[in-house]
Amino acid sequence: KNEVEQSPQNLTAQEGEFITINCSYSVGISALHWLQQHPGGGIVSLFMLSSGKKKHGRLIATINIQEKHSSLHITASHPRDSAVYICASSSGAGSYQLTFGKGTKLSVIP
Amino acid sequence: ETGVTQSPTHLIKTRGQQVTLRCSSQSGHNTVSWYQQALGQGPQFIFQYYREEENGRGNFPPRFSGLQFPNYSSELNVNALELDDSALYLCASSWGTGWSRNEQFFGPGTRLTVL
Repeated sequence: KNEVEQSPQNLTAQEGEFITINCSYSVGISALHWLQQHPGGGIVSLFMLSSGKKKHGRLIATINIQEKHSSLHITASHPRDSAVYICASSSGAGSYQLTFGKGTKLSVIP
Repeated sequence: ETGVTQSPTHLIKTRGQQVTLRCSSQSGHNTVSWYQQALGQGPQFIFQYYREEENGRGNFPPRFSGLQFPNYSSELNVNALELDDSALYLCASSWGTGWSRNEQFFGPGTRLTVL
């Protein structure tokens, strides 16, 4: 059974700081997803990656398949980045089932 | 192009009652997945519908059931509500069933409270 662990659970940062959120998983996967959830519930997909690194604006996601570990980095953090960040894994090319981590609550203070 | 919508946004029910939650998928999408998110937890996969058929199911009892309509909108029905069913219910639509190939677009969720 795949388990997805995230750390830290809660993170408070000053505006402008570099932020890292970590995700580890227990079995081989075909893709790792990073999602952002704002207060109120809506979820937005940030990245889907199966190897290497992806970058979108100030967000960078990396994955190390051998170590079963992924990180989400936010450069020059801003209060609007405050949200819950969730990683989730899928296994199998046609897999419909995601295993989610519990999320990391990020608060960026001006 | 409209995004994924869900109704209602909030709902309060009592134990033993039945509830129906609705989801309209994003234009062009043929797959809807439903998730339950308890407070402070990550979402849990309930089931997925593809072209009006259930395509897969998570570890939820049969009192959780669903439907998908020809326009690809979907319903989640929960019978005999229990207190532990209180959660945020999220639906997500995609073109195609596999999470490894198809980005899913989430709705805002329905917050269900069971008293």
